[in-house]
Amino acid sequence: GAGVSQSPRYKVAKRGQDVALRCDPISGHVSLFWYQQALGQGPEFLTYFQNEAQLDKSGLPSDRFFAERPEGSVSTLKIQRTQQEDSAVYLCASSYRAFAGEQYFGPGTRLTVT
Amino acid sequence: QKEVEQNSGPLSVPEGAIASLNCTYSDRGSQSFFWYRQYSGKSPELIMFIYSNGDKEDGRFTAQLNKASQYVSLLIRDSQPSDSATYLCAVRGVTGGGNKLTFGTGTQLKVEL
Repeated sequence: GAGVSQSPRYKVAKRGQDVALRCDPISGHVSLFWYQQALGQGPEFLTYFQNEAQLDKSGLPSDRFFAERPEGSVSTLKIQRTQQEDSAVYLCASSYRAFAGEQYFGPGTRLTVT
Repeated sequence: QKEVEQNSGPLSVPEGAIASLNCTYSDRGSQSFFWYRQYSGKSPELIMFIYSNGDKEDGRFTAQLNKASQYVSLLIRDSQPSDSATYLCAVRGVTGGGNKLTFGTGTQLKVEL
């Protein structure tokens, strides 16, 4: 079946612009996660949804970062007033279980802030 | 101390040899453990997971878990050039609702002809 999809795959933003990154999880997957991966590092957790409820947003680096999953399926990660340090790959993962379970990653969105 | 530690490598092994990748973690309450493979410019791909102490085998891959020593490893038998990638160890703990994965920085594996 179809895996996790993300769009856009690449995004270049000027510093100060707002960006929105989209994630389509695997159909039927209850849990959705956003991670940020800097070059040469492992992914870092940003936030977690169980259906439409955002249960953990402890990894969001500042109040410029906002995520939503209003209907329990597609999710959007929004970054306001982008800064150069926001440049990274943003990965979305989904899992079929509400808790525990294996996480499957999408292809990621590479964000470059100039 | 990092929560999940891996040797960054590169680890070089000849084709056909066994590659051994290691990972230690600090949260003693960690519940489950995952190995992801990441090719350059690609996203992480799940290759193994293990929840109980001992060994778990899947094809050429064996995951080993020792919770007392807070240690998890991945063995790749009959290594192939296509196995050359970065291998990420990830741990699911109990903090924050017990759902997020904490990753190591990855070990770069090079399988040489």
